[in-house]
Amino acid sequence: IVLTQSPATLSVSPGETATLSCRASQILNNNLAWYQQKPGQAPRLLIYGASTRATGIPARFSGSESGTELTLTISSLRSEDFAVYYCHQYDKWPLTFGGGTKVEIK
Amino acid sequence: EVQLVESGGALVQPGGSLRLSCTASGFTFTAYAVTWVRQAPGKGLEWVSVISSSGGHTQYADSVRGRFTISRDNSRNTVYLHMNSLTAEDTAVYYCAKGMWGAYVDYWGQGTLVTVSS
Repeated sequence: IVLTQSPATLSVSPGETATLSCRASQILNNNLAWYQQKPGQAPRLLIYGASTRATGIPARFSGSESGTELTLTISSLRSEDFAVYYCHQYDKWPLTFGGGTKVEIK
Repeated sequence: EVQLVESGGALVQPGGSLRLSCTASGFTFTAYAVTWVRQAPGKGLEWVSVISSSGGHTQYADSVRGRFTISRDNSRNTVYLHMNSLTAEDTAVYYCAKGMWGAYVDYWGQGTLVTVSS
């Protein structure tokens, strides 16, 4: 399954909302996760099951699924949210990641 | 506290072999699958391989199938990634992570760097 993330880079001002897209080549049956990665760090799980926040993840992070379109929305962006975000499907082998979206400060 | 510590990364020549280790603590190791994910310098994440909690089931990415072998020693809380016939395209930071079989991973190690170069 191919995951296509867009845009590659998203420039957003603090306090605004960022909307990240992940398009799958097949229906994923909600078997999608989102990860955040900061420079020099390992990825961190944000969302699983397309829309369930992982433990300790703030409510400003939300995920949704509509057919083959998956969306991660980050509302009221804070300085610590500027990072690279990856979607990841675990519906079919081999598992795959999207290419990532970098959220940068505008 | 959940911890996953990778080791074994090194500079290796093209065509060479290497074994990576992932040692876990802070959770019931025998209840979880362990996954390897790699990241080439400046690039995105690439799923590599996974092994089930018992070690009886494995899966591989097409890019490594036939060259890499994943295994685990539950008595040592350790998962291994045996890598053969290495090429420059295998140069990456290799992360191990825990999760359930066929599902997302929830905790990651800090990674170990493998460089394939002459």
